Amino acid sequence: GDSVTQMEGPVTLSEEAFLTINCTYTATGYPSLFWYVQYPGEGLQLLLKATKADDKGSNKGFEATYRKETTSFHLEKGSVQVSDSAVYFCALSDLAGSSNTGKLIFGQGTTLQVKP
Amino acid sequence: DTAVSQTPKYLVTQMGNDKSIKCEQNLGHDTMYWYKQDSKKFLKIMFSYNNKELIINETVPNRFSPKSPDKAHLNLHINSLELGDSAVYFCASSQEGRGEAFFGQGTRLTVV
Repeated sequence: GDSVTQMEGPVTLSEEAFLTINCTYTATGYPSLFWYVQYPGEGLQLLLKATKADDKGSNKGFEATYRKETTSFHLEKGSVQVSDSAVYFCALSDLAGSSNTGKLIFGQGTTLQVKP
Repeated sequence: DTAVSQTPKYLVTQMGNDKSIKCEQNLGHDTMYWYKQDSKKFLKIMFSYNNKELIINETVPNRFSPKSPDKAHLNLHINSLELGDSAVYFCASSQEGRGEAFFGQGTRLTVV
């Protein structure tokens, strides 16, 4: 079945450092890909998305490019801030697959801690 | 105006009790979901309703019963609560054909 694998955390960075969180996926169809962020004590918020190969999603300085050839959707940010400390989830939704239910399949989440 | 709201935010209860969590969305979406987040933060879908019809029922004990009285509401009732049911339960909604879902704040259920 479809699955998402993220790099193990926690990731600890100093403020203004470069961030990469790796995400790879396995899917039988052509999924849409997402990054969600969960701040402490809160629900999940959509950070960015990409719906087809070579699309780049971006928001709040974060970027991720849908790479079909490497089945990856790595999250990057050029300069992290303390306020970026959160748990980041990569997810896919296979809208074109046989199920077409819109359900999200999540990676295991990566905790990011940014220190001043 | 909260887009997806669920109540209560915290729920502490004893083993064997029956409890419900309520969810409402004001986004006009036609699909709603329940996800469970375990202690390691892993998220897994439990149920989904599209226009009040159950379309996803993952391998979940039948002590869990979702109910959707209308498109804007999806409640989760849990019978005979067990220690292992302790988790954070998230309600979410989306529009059919669009993958992104909007999540509620979560309900932290603690069974003692």
